[in-house]
Amino acid sequence: GAVVSQHPSWVICKSGTSVKIECRSLDFQATTMFWYRQFPKQSLMLMATSNEGSKATYEQGVEKDKFLINHASLTLSTLTVTSAHPEDSSFYICSCAGGAFTGLETQYFGPGTRLLVL
Amino acid sequence: KQEVTQIPAALSVPEGENLVLNCSFTDSAIYNLQWFRQDPGKGLTSLLLIQSSQREQTSGRLNASLDKSSGRSTLYIAASQPGDSATYLCAVALNSGYSTLTFGKGTMLLVSP
Repeated sequence: GAVVSQHPSWVICKSGTSVKIECRSLDFQATTMFWYRQFPKQSLMLMATSNEGSKATYEQGVEKDKFLINHASLTLSTLTVTSAHPEDSSFYICSCAGGAFTGLETQYFGPGTRLLVL
Repeated sequence: KQEVTQIPAALSVPEGENLVLNCSFTDSAIYNLQWFRQDPGKGLTSLLLIQSSQREQTSGRLNASLDKSSGRSTLYIAASQPGDSATYLCAVALNSGYSTLTFGKGTMLLVSP
């Protein structure tokens, strides 16, 4: 159980285009989803936290107008990178937390999406 | 601001060796600490989770300890195997209503046959 999928697994796009990444919890309802970004040989950095039906909370330094997050249902969240530029090239990973939201909850991670902007 | 540091950054050992990975964090007020495994270009697999009230957790050949007061955790891998080769990440959940995770940069482990 607790399977999280991401689509696509990798994407190459031209500079200036927008890219949408989907994160789905396949066998549980995720009240909270997290989006992380990981640059080569760096740690995962939290970008934003979203609760179903609410606006996402963005970490300091993350542009909310550039990284649009929609958490429309308990099993789906999307991250749209608008007007992508080469510096947005990175590995994007989502995680899902379900049930009663406490500090004891475990986050279940998706397999990641590698974005390359040319 | 919580900072998580992992030492060493990389480690290469022959198969069969026991090894220890280290993780330190600056703010001892944590909910829990997790160790993850990440294979190249892949997502994260949770290995062990230690609650703040616990001292250690074990799963198979893995043992993780937590010394909350000193801000340290270790991951012990017994009888290492080539399949253990991966990057190991340490992450702490902050002591708040949010289970936000703060990650270290990881230790890249290579176990040679």
